Amino acid sequence: SQQGEEDPQALSIQEGENATMNCSYKTSINNLQWYRQNSGRGLVHLILIRSNEREKHSGRLRVTLDTSKKSSSLLITASRAADTASYFCATYNNDMRFGAGTRLTVKP
Amino acid sequence: DAGITQSPRHKVTETGTPVTLRCHQTENHRYMYWYRQDPGHGLRLIHYSYGVKDTDKGEVSDGYSVSRSKTEDFLLTLESATSSQTSVYFCAINKDSKIDFGPGTRLTVL
Repeated sequence: SQQGEEDPQALSIQEGENATMNCSYKTSINNLQWYRQNSGRGLVHLILIRSNEREKHSGRLRVTLDTSKKSSSLLITASRAADTASYFCATYNNDMRFGAGTRLTVKP
Repeated sequence: DAGITQSPRHKVTETGTPVTLRCHQTENHRYMYWYRQDPGHGLRLIHYSYGVKDTDKGEVSDGYSVSRSKTEDFLLTLESATSSQTSVYFCAINKDSKIDFGPGTRLTVL
């Protein structure tokens, strides 16, 4: 079975709003990563957070990690239409396992 | 860009035929992966390799085999393709704990 599960499966917001996506996982991890996929393309790495970190920022992205709850969240602030894509969390512990993704639509 | 190429990029085949997908990297990364992506399932790990001749199973390995005779090449073989193996297949490498993906191969099994 898949390691990560994203929530919600789909999210639709207006440009300028914040988007929050959640990820839960099942086993211990070395790190957790978030990826983005535009339609028909491969995945692109966004941000990595290690198991001993609680929060990390990169531009408009903010990631949190709660290892006691085995969960993570990705916040995209001040969203843009160009942020429309699918977002996946992935857990790394010798191999890399992905969740089913959240489909984000940002309306202009 | 880790210089990952996949071939072929598109393939249509018939049930019961063998199919081999190739992944080639231009860098010298140790870990390589094969994933399949299907609607509603995200990416699922098929097999991965941690060195020449060193491979291990992932989440959905049944019906697939892999080989890695050279660091730069990782082959995925469907011994006898089935319609359930219609999917988009992504090869990936582990680059400093981050995954770089190839462009994908769209496989249709009729």
